[in-house]
Amino acid sequence: SQQGEEDPQALSIQEGENATMNCSYKTSINNLQWYRQNSGRGLVHLILIRSNEREKHSGRLRVTLDTSKKSSSLLITASRAADTASYFCATDAGETSGSRLTFGEGTQLTVNP
Amino acid sequence: DTGVSQDPRHKITKRGQNVTFRCDPISEHNRLYWYRQTLGQGPEFLTYFQNEAQLEKSRLLSDRFSAERPKGSFSTLEIQRTEQGDSAMYLCASSPSSGEDEQYFGPGTRLTVT
Repeated sequence: SQQGEEDPQALSIQEGENATMNCSYKTSINNLQWYRQNSGRGLVHLILIRSNEREKHSGRLRVTLDTSKKSSSLLITASRAADTASYFCATDAGETSGSRLTFGEGTQLTVNP
Repeated sequence: DTGVSQDPRHKITKRGQNVTFRCDPISEHNRLYWYRQTLGQGPEFLTYFQNEAQLEKSRLLSDRFSAERPKGSFSTLEIQRTEQGDSAMYLCASSPSSGEDEQYFGPGTRLTVT
């Protein structure tokens, strides 16, 4: 069963705007990861944030993690048409679960040129 | 290209036939994972290997499914007596060692059961 829930399910913005996607989860985690998937393709890892971290940056990406609320957000700044894709959060509960990833249902982001 | 590769990329089969997929992880990666993804959903965990040992299987992996990683390198996923509900994208991922690492995904095998 899916642990994560992404919000919104779909997001449409104009090029240059910022896009924010949220993820909530239910159990304790070791880390939380964000992945991107273009239509019909495999997943590309974007960023990993550990349970003892609160914020992380990578290029135009900013991820926050609030373990007390069991939630995370992904911010993409200055979006581009090429950012159009599905974005998934995935939680890693650690070695007790073999570090398998539990994915949410994803947010479909459309960036209009 | 030293990424994760999967073969075939697409497979169309008739209900009741057996199919086998192959995954070649990034060399040196000890962990190998199989996930299944249906349209509009996130990937769901099926099974994983630490070297050649299969350490966990999801309840999604019915007795028609079997996975192997005989020499701790490539892995195969076989589905026997396919059903239309098996139609999905089958994704393979690998990671360097136990825990706290990102997983590197292959391009997936799209299975269509007619």
